[in-house]
Amino acid sequence: NAGVTQTPKFRILKIGQSMTLQCTQDMNHNYMYWYRQDPGMGLKLIYYSVGAGITDKGEVPNGYNVSRSTTEDFPLRLELAAPSQTSVYFCASFGGKEGGREQYFGPGTRLTVT
Amino acid sequence: GDSVTQMEGPVTLSEEAFLTINCTYTATGYPSLFWYVQYPGEGLQLLLKATKADDKGSNKGFEATYRKETTSFHLEKGSVQVSDSAVYFCALRDSSTGNQFYFGTGTSLTVIP
Repeated sequence: NAGVTQTPKFRILKIGQSMTLQCTQDMNHNYMYWYRQDPGMGLKLIYYSVGAGITDKGEVPNGYNVSRSTTEDFPLRLELAAPSQTSVYFCASFGGKEGGREQYFGPGTRLTVT
Repeated sequence: GDSVTQMEGPVTLSEEAFLTINCTYTATGYPSLFWYVQYPGEGLQLLLKATKADDKGSNKGFEATYRKETTSFHLEKGSVQVSDSAVYFCALRDSSTGNQFYFGTGTSLTVIP
C-alpha cells in the first residue's frame, strides 16, 4: 500500500490564481479529510468526506472546494488564491478494522501565495 | 463543541529526562483520544491511542491514560532521547460528529544531548 499520497509537494501561486491539490488513498477508506496547518496553530479542518459523493464543510472552508467522485480521490480546489491561504495542507484518510481504526496522513503540500 | 487544549511549548529537555505534555479535552459524546507525532518536513504519524475511559495507550516508551473524570490524556515518557525531538499533537475523534478529528495546537519538544 502506498497509503495517502499528495501532489504537488510545493507550489507558489500568485494572488488570484487557482489550483487543485491532489489526494489519493489506496486503503479503501470511506473517510477523508483536508487540513491546513499554520505555524503554532495546529491543524484546522477544511473539508471532509464520509464516502464517495458526500462532502461537508469543516472549520475553515471559505476559499476552498472539494469533490469526491471516487473512494480513492479527494481533490481540494483553491479558487482566487489569497496570501491568507499560505499554509501547509495535509490530506488524511480514516479507516481500518474495528478496534484498529486510525487516521493516516499524506506528506503534505506546502503552498505559498504571493 | 469539541475541542482539545494542550500544553504550550516549546519544551526543551536534556536526554534521559522525564517528559510530560498535558492535554485536556471537551467533547459532547464519548471520544477516542490520540497522540500524534510530527517530525520536521513530514506528515503526522499516530503515536498512541485510547478508545475508552481508563484505557492506557503506549508505544515506543510513551504512555497516556484516558481519564474521563479529569477529561485528560497527558503524554509521558520516562527517559527521552534526542530522536524524540518533534512536535506532538493531542487529538480526539468524536463519532457523534461524523468522525471528525479535533487537534490541539501542538507542543514542540527538543531533546539536547
